[in-house]
Amino acid sequence: DQQVKQNSPSLSVQEGRISILNCDYTNSMFDYFLWYKKYPAEGPTFLISISSIKDKNEDGRFTVFLNKSAKHLSLHIVPSQPGDSAVYFCAASGSAGNMLTFGGGTRLMVKP
Amino acid sequence: DTEVTQTPKHLVMGMTNKKSLKCEQHMGHRAMYWYKQKAKKPPELMFVYSYEKLSINESVPSRFSPECPNSSLLNLHLHALQPEDSALYLCASSQGEITGLEQYFGPGTRLTVT
Repeated sequence: DQQVKQNSPSLSVQEGRISILNCDYTNSMFDYFLWYKKYPAEGPTFLISISSIKDKNEDGRFTVFLNKSAKHLSLHIVPSQPGDSAVYFCAASGSAGNMLTFGGGTRLMVKP
Repeated sequence: DTEVTQTPKHLVMGMTNKKSLKCEQHMGHRAMYWYKQKAKKPPELMFVYSYEKLSINESVPSRFSPECPNSSLLNLHLHALQPEDSALYLCASSQGEITGLEQYFGPGTRLTVT
């Protein structure tokens, strides 16, 4: 049973446009959500996080939105750059300490 | 410094071999983690160490044996592995084990079992 789902395995966006990556979760005990970016042959790199007491967190070009009632979060990247091309994982914790449950990942391709 | 280092980068071992994976962090983090990632899949938690004590073992087979010699080091001892254990093994650390603390990942060790 997947508790964190990323339903889009891939996304292609033109450079300069907005990238929107989506994530859904089922466990209502999750109270902290993170986005990680992963290049091939490297470990995941932490991007941005949000606590369940907030609905938005912004850091430069990256904004994460949380809709608790819908159990949905999204990552917005504006403007998208070719260097953003990577696999993006959303992750959640809270049901049992700091154990992270990851979604399946979305491969983002930003075209020049 | 937010670096977690892992050695070796690549490891090929036979099913009768014994080998160890090493992880090190110097951020003063008190929680360390081992994850396993198969191709095109998300990372899956294997073990959590909190203050150098094993706090979570996600029903991992005994052929994987973790060890935390001190607060900066985490080892994963491997013995009698199977070909299906071939994967990317990721180490991570965080300030503590409570929720809401970012985990920082190392680059991983790519393990191939022949």
